[in-house]
Amino acid sequence: SQKIEQNSEALNIQEGKTATLTCNYTNYSPAYLQWYRQDPGRGPVFLLLIRENEKEKRKERLKVTFDTTLKQSLFHITASQPADSATYLCALDRGSTLGRLYFGRGTQLTVWP
Amino acid sequence: DAGVTQSPTHLIKTRGQQVTLRCSPISGHKSVSWYQQVLGQGPQFIFQYYEKEERGRGNFPDRFSARQFPNYSSELNVNALLLGDSALYLCASTSPTGNYEQYFGPGTRLTVT
Repeated sequence: SQKIEQNSEALNIQEGKTATLTCNYTNYSPAYLQWYRQDPGRGPVFLLLIRENEKEKRKERLKVTFDTTLKQSLFHITASQPADSATYLCALDRGSTLGRLYFGRGTQLTVWP
Repeated sequence: DAGVTQSPTHLIKTRGQQVTLRCSPISGHKSVSWYQQVLGQGPQFIFQYYEKEERGRGNFPDRFSARQFPNYSSELNVNALLLGDSALYLCASTSPTGNYEQYFGPGTRLTVT
C-alpha cells in the first residue's frame, strides 16, 4: 500500500524566513501530488498541485518541487508570516480514480514574530 | 458560490448506535469523496462517488456505507458505532474540469461515547 511521510510533525520558524516542508512517498509514483492547508477544526484547503512530469510549481509565496526519482516533494513558503501558521498536508493522487487522495499526517507549522 | 456544506457540524452518539452524515457538493461538481480524520492524523479515504455510482472504497469495514443522490448530494452511514469511529468526517467534491483538486467541507465532528 502507499505510504506517505511528512518530515516532521512540527516546524517552528521566525517570521520572514522560508519554511520548507518535506513529503516522501513509497511504492508507486502518483500522477499528481497536492498540498493542502488545514486550520484547527476546519476542512483542508487546496494550495497547489504538481504533476509527475513537472519539476516545480509556484503560486505567490508558495513553491512546490517534485522529484520522482527521490520520491519526494518539497513545499516552500517564502517570507513566512504568523498567518501561515497551520497544518500542511501532502496528498497523492494516482490519477486513475478521480477524487481519491492518500494523505500524509501533516506538518504543523508555527511562524513566530 | 456556496462551498461544500456538511451537516450536522457536531454529533454525539453512543456505542452501537447508527449515524448518518450529509454532504452537498459545490454546484456543478458530480464527484463526492468521504474521508475520516482522526485527531493528529491526515484524512483517510473512505468512499468516492461519481454520477451516483461508487467508484472507490478505502479500507473500512462494511459498517460504513454511502450513497449519492440525483442532485449529487451524498450521505455517509455508519452502523454499530465503535469508540474508534470518533473522528472528523470530511466530504470533498472535485471539479469535473481542471486539476482534480478537491474542495473540502468543514466536516462533521463525531464523538462516540
